Amino acid sequence: KAGVTQTPRYLIKTRGQQVTLSCSPISGHRSVSWYQQTPGQGLQFLFEYFSETQRNKGNFPGRFSGRQFSNSRSEMNVSTLELGDSALYLCASSLVDRVGGYTFGSGTRLTVV
Amino acid sequence: AQSVTQLDSQVPVFEEAPVELRCNYSSSVSVYLFWYVQYPNQGLQLLLKYLSGSTLVKGINGFEAEFNKSQTSFHLRKPSVHISDTAEYFCAVTHQTGANNLFFGTGTRLTVIP
Repeated sequence: KAGVTQTPRYLIKTRGQQVTLSCSPISGHRSVSWYQQTPGQGLQFLFEYFSETQRNKGNFPGRFSGRQFSNSRSEMNVSTLELGDSALYLCASSLVDRVGGYTFGSGTRLTVV
Repeated sequence: AQSVTQLDSQVPVFEEAPVELRCNYSSSVSVYLFWYVQYPNQGLQLLLKYLSGSTLVKGINGFEAEFNKSQTSFHLRKPSVHISDTAEYFCAVTHQTGANNLFFGTGTRLTVIP
């Protein structure tokens, strides 16, 4: 079956702009979570969505937001981009009971200049 | 609160030698444990997971890990590494119930030397 699909793979944005990243989970997976990966901070949890509701949020400023659609696809948005937002953004999907583990997409590499 | 500690940031090892990547965790609630591998410019791939039952779990690519509840450890092992095993390895935990997200260690860079 198809894996987790993230688009786009690469993005270059200018400080102050905003960006939207997309994630399509594995069919049947209703939980989608987002992570930011940087060399300095490692892998950090951003937020998790289930049935179009944000259930859990990490310690990130309000500039980071997301949503989930009825087909479980998810988007995350970062407004007023800062240089420090440059990172690999990873999306993961799972079943609600998480016993199958989490399947990750290939990520979106965001560079802010 | 929970935390995951990967004790070695870099592990160089010769090809066909055994390797162990160490992981310790702390949590006030019951957790599931995972090991993921990340190749350059790619996402994370699940190697193996511990949910319950036998403390020795086998994963893909010849890797295995042993859960030790008393030492709160979940070390990853492979008896004979290949060049293709060169990658970043992450240990992670998630709560068995409630908040559905992973807490990651800082990663261990495994470099296999020919």
